[in-house]
Amino acid sequence: QSALTQPASVSGSPGQSITISCTGTSSDVGGYNYVSWYQQHPGKVPKVMIYDVSNRPSGVSTRFSGSKSGNTASLTISGLQAEDEADYYCSSFATSSTPVVFGGGTKVTVL
Amino acid sequence: QVQLQESGPGLVKPSETLSLTCAVSGGSISGYYWSWIRQPPGKGLEWIGFIYYSGSTNYNPSLRNRVTISADMSKNQFSLKVSSVTAADTAVYYCARDHHGFWSGQLDYWGQGTLVTVST
Repeated sequence: QSALTQPASVSGSPGQSITISCTGTSSDVGGYNYVSWYQQHPGKVPKVMIYDVSNRPSGVSTRFSGSKSGNTASLTISGLQAEDEADYYCSSFATSSTPVVFGGGTKVTVL
Repeated sequence: QVQLQESGPGLVKPSETLSLTCAVSGGSISGYYWSWIRQPPGKGLEWIGFIYYSGSTNYNPSLRNRVTISADMSKNQFSLKVSSVTAADTAVYYCARDHHGFWSGQLDYWGQGTLVTVST
């Protein structure tokens, strides 16, 4: 069982917006602004899409945005495109038994 | 552009020690935290541990008694050893760098990953 809770799957039609949630505790997501989101296409390397809750690395589309409220972080993909179909993982700095925790991953399907 | 490249045997026998090296190019290992992460086939990401360039380490408690991470600044690389492996250690192993110069758990540069299979 993963430390952070994500929905197993989220789907949407092209052009729509979807949001993936990532729920933790006050010892991780809720207590620190070091939440990141990774995109992983099948057989590929995870790619950081968001860091520090809402910052986008250079080169990442502005269609990806991150936010946080309490112990839950969220990744929103707007203007959904076929290339967005992938697995998405959240992670957070933590002060629990491990200094970083991951979510179990969310499979995004573009209908 | 920082690049990371894992290397090591792709097949390890049960009860033996898995050894991987991550060579860093395009930047120094100085000033950053470097992690190992693994992903069993069809499953999610699991953080194994990190090393700071100065040599301090932190390991996942689930693996702590079997894992050692070390760094060689002269070669600009760091390494992973997992002892007494079983089939459950079969996974793609990634090395990665923390985004900040302090530990934040956010990994910006990743290696290509290497599949390690534990089998006779």
